[in-house]
Parts: sequence; structure tokens; C-alpha cells
Amino acid sequence: QVQLVQSGAEVKKPGASVKVSCKASGYSLISYYMNWVRQAPGQGLEWMGIIDPNADRTNYAQKFQGRVTVTRDTSTSTVYMELSSLTSEDTAVYYCARSKRWLHPYFDYWGQGTLVTVSS
Amino acid sequence: EIVLTQSPVTLSLSPGERATFSCGASQSVSSNYVAWYQHKPGLAPRLLIYDASTRATGIPDRFSGSGSGTDFTLTISKLEPEDYAVYYCHQYGSSLTFGGGTKVEIK
Repeated sequence: QVQLVQSGAEVKKPGASVKVSCKASGYSLISYYMNWVRQAPGQGLEWMGIIDPNADRTNYAQKFQGRVTVTRDTSTSTVYMELSSLTSEDTAVYYCARSKRWLHPYFDYWGQGTLVTVSS
Repeated sequence: EIVLTQSPVTLSLSPGERATFSCGASQSVSSNYVAWYQHKPGLAPRLLIYDASTRATGIPDRFSGSGSGTDFTLTISKLEPEDYAVYYCHQYGSSLTFGGGTKVEIK
């Protein structure tokens, strides 16, 4: 069965970077796109970006341009999301989520989430 | 950016009752590209409905979606104990945005 398993919780200081992983199993990584979505405490869901693991192309939400990098390692079926220049406003649960579409994607499978806490 | 407003924020219902969730968009959603997700604490969100009315694989038929333009609805015909969760709508017609969620609690 399809599973997206994310790395564990992280605590980072302001100004640092964080890298969250998402390991896919039960399907071929290159056959679907992977997205990253976050949810800050008491806030709604927010889409951050998408990667095409086959073509290694990415598209990021304007809000995160220049600060987020999504990469993949096809040999381990893992996608990574790195967010830099962290502030307290980046404290959130980060999810990876699979989609069949590049344009107009909805998310058919999600990871369990990774809590990133930014605190001095 | 399309803003999605979900109502009500909380629904208090008993098992067996009908649940109706509303999602209003600030402008028309192209091609009715709206999805609904169920989310329980600590678990991965679960896709229920996509393209406004298509049930995702393995989703029971007590879940149904409807609507077009700016008004969309998710209905659970008879609440089961496992349905108590938070429900989010998501539009992917123009950029990608989510509603604030509706929590279903046991009455």
C-alpha cells in the first residue's frame, strides 16, 4: 500500500535551516508528483511547492520563493524539503503529499507530518 | 488568491445523523477543482472527494460532494464513530488554497 513516511520532529534556532524527508513506498516515486504543505498552530493549511521526481523540476509558492528547496533521491524514493532563514512564524507541521497532476493538483496520499519548532 | 470560508467552524452531531459542510469561495473555482480531506490528530490527512464530486478510492458512499462555482458542500449521510474529525476543503483551480476547517464533535 502507498505510504509516505516523514522524518522526525525538529527544533531549530531562528536563522537556521531545516531539512525534512519524505520516504515513499508502495509505488514508483517517479510516477507521481510530490508536494509540501504546512500548518502552523491554529492556522490553516498552506501549500509550499511541488516537485516532479522524474524530470527533477520544481515549482514553489511565491511566498516561499528563495527560501525553500525541494529535492529528490530516486535511488531511495525520498523527497526532501529544505527551508532556510527560519523564524518563529515557520513553526508548523510540515506534510508531504502526493499528486497525480502538476497543474491543478489534489493530494491523494499524505505523510504523517513533521513538527518543526523554531525557538531561541 | 481565492479565499475559502468553511462553515460552521464546529458541528456537534450524534452518530447516525447527517453532517453537512459548506465551503464558500471568494471567486469562482475553475472547473470545480475542489477537494475535501478528513484529518484526525496525529494522522495523515485523508482524501475524500476531488473535482467537487468524485469519491476517492476506498471512500464509503456515505460521503458525497457537490457544488459548483463558489459554493461547495460535503455531506456525510449517516455519521459513524470514526467520522469525528476535522474536514478541510481545498481549491486547486487557481493556485492552491485551503479552507479553515470544520470540526465534527460528538454531541
